[in-house]
Amino acid sequence: NAGVTQTPKFRVLKTGQSMTLLCAQDMNHEYMYWYRQDPGMGLRLIHYSVGEGTTAKGEVPDGYNVSRLKKQNFLLGLESAAPSQTSVYFCASRSAGTANQPQHFGDGTRLSIL
Amino acid sequence: AQSVAQPEDQVNVAEGNPLTVKCTYSVSGNPYLFWYVQYPNRGLQFLLKYITGDNLVKGSYGFEAEFNKSQTSFHLKKPSALVSDSALYFCAVRDIVSNFGNEKLTFGTGTRLTIIP
Repeated sequence: NAGVTQTPKFRVLKTGQSMTLLCAQDMNHEYMYWYRQDPGMGLRLIHYSVGEGTTAKGEVPDGYNVSRLKKQNFLLGLESAAPSQTSVYFCASRSAGTANQPQHFGDGTRLSIL
Repeated sequence: AQSVAQPEDQVNVAEGNPLTVKCTYSVSGNPYLFWYVQYPNRGLQFLLKYITGDNLVKGSYGFEAEFNKSQTSFHLKKPSALVSDSALYFCAVRDIVSNFGNEKLTFGTGTRLTIIP
């Protein structure tokens, strides 16, 4: 019973490098989300997707791109990494069934940009 | 704009004592309220939610939360704390208007709960 799986778990990048974070969920959830967690700031929404082939901007989208080519996967890309993007990234998903369904989270990707 | 405040960064409680983690919120209209727990190097785990109805909501691991509309609060409680309850706790609020995946779920900054043996 995997739930939401994020890969990789840790990564160190140099400024200017690019990378993709992968999120996979096996709960057949329609909605998926990418957050970043920074000390003392709670979680902030980067991008989200309400279905396969659709994405939308969240609260802090600059410097990130996303894609949802398959219902179960949601990719977060950094085209040119910057030190300000050092953070812990969380993916979440939820069912579209009723309005009160909670979001389910992965264990996070810890990303350091040097 | 909606917001969540967790006024205490750190709460220390002796094992066996009751615990309370405070949360106040601001949202237009009626809220959906959630509590999540985060253990070290793990993601957020859902504890409980308030949607409507009874103001006392029961959740996982013996936790409960009391919704108070007049005080716009949703405090997390447990009658008898365990050392294993030590973790980071987040309160979150969303409005009930949007239900197409585009809801804005706003999180507090978290409260670190430490249970002292």
